[in-house]
Amino acid sequence: GIQVEQSPPDLILQEGANSTLRCNFSDSVNNLQWFHQNPWGQLINLFYIPSGTKQNGRLSATTVATERYSLLYISSSQTTDSGVYFCAVGTYGGATNKLIFGTGTLLAVQP
Amino acid sequence: NAGVTQTPKFQVLKTGQSMTLQCAQDMNHEYMSWYRQDPGMGLRLIHYSVGAGITDQGEVPNGYNVSRSTTEDFPLRLLSAAPSQTSVYFCASTAGTGGREQYFGPGTRLTVT
Repeated sequence: GIQVEQSPPDLILQEGANSTLRCNFSDSVNNLQWFHQNPWGQLINLFYIPSGTKQNGRLSATTVATERYSLLYISSSQTTDSGVYFCAVGTYGGATNKLIFGTGTLLAVQP
Repeated sequence: NAGVTQTPKFQVLKTGQSMTLQCAQDMNHEYMSWYRQDPGMGLRLIHYSVGAGITDQGEVPNGYNVSRSTTEDFPLRLLSAAPSQTSVYFCASTAGTGGREQYFGPGTRLTVT
């Protein structure tokens, strides 16, 4: 099956710093989403981005489907950005919404 | 809209007991799914449904049953709980069956002793 790898596994930032999180996947996808799991365990959908670039406030994401990777950019980080960021993909040939998750990037933003 | 709701929030079971985790959504979403989250392993798909009356297996279906009698509800049944089923369980829903944003419930933390 498809493999989803995220890097880095852990990241510590000072408030105000910028960061880039990466998601590599091993096969063609027709669905890619980024999620934030806050310290209380709630999973929030950040982006649905199977290709192209999207921006939402301080967050933006880019997926280069032909090269099988996606990037999540966090600018001017805040302590509320802390938590785990997951990339999840869905593949052709099956139910598109069947998502395979990476193991996540644990982000800690220090004041 | 309440979105995706799950009950209970916490549950402790003894080995061999059965129980049902409840999931409901009020967004009229066709697609619903159950995941489990274990430390260091991300989320893994247990079962999913593309509409009322239609269910299918995900990556880790053994030990779990599902049914979808209505669009709104998608309960997950543990038939005979085992310590290996200690995990956090998340229900999710998506509008339509094509690629769309997936929305998650708050989770149920289950401990099997």
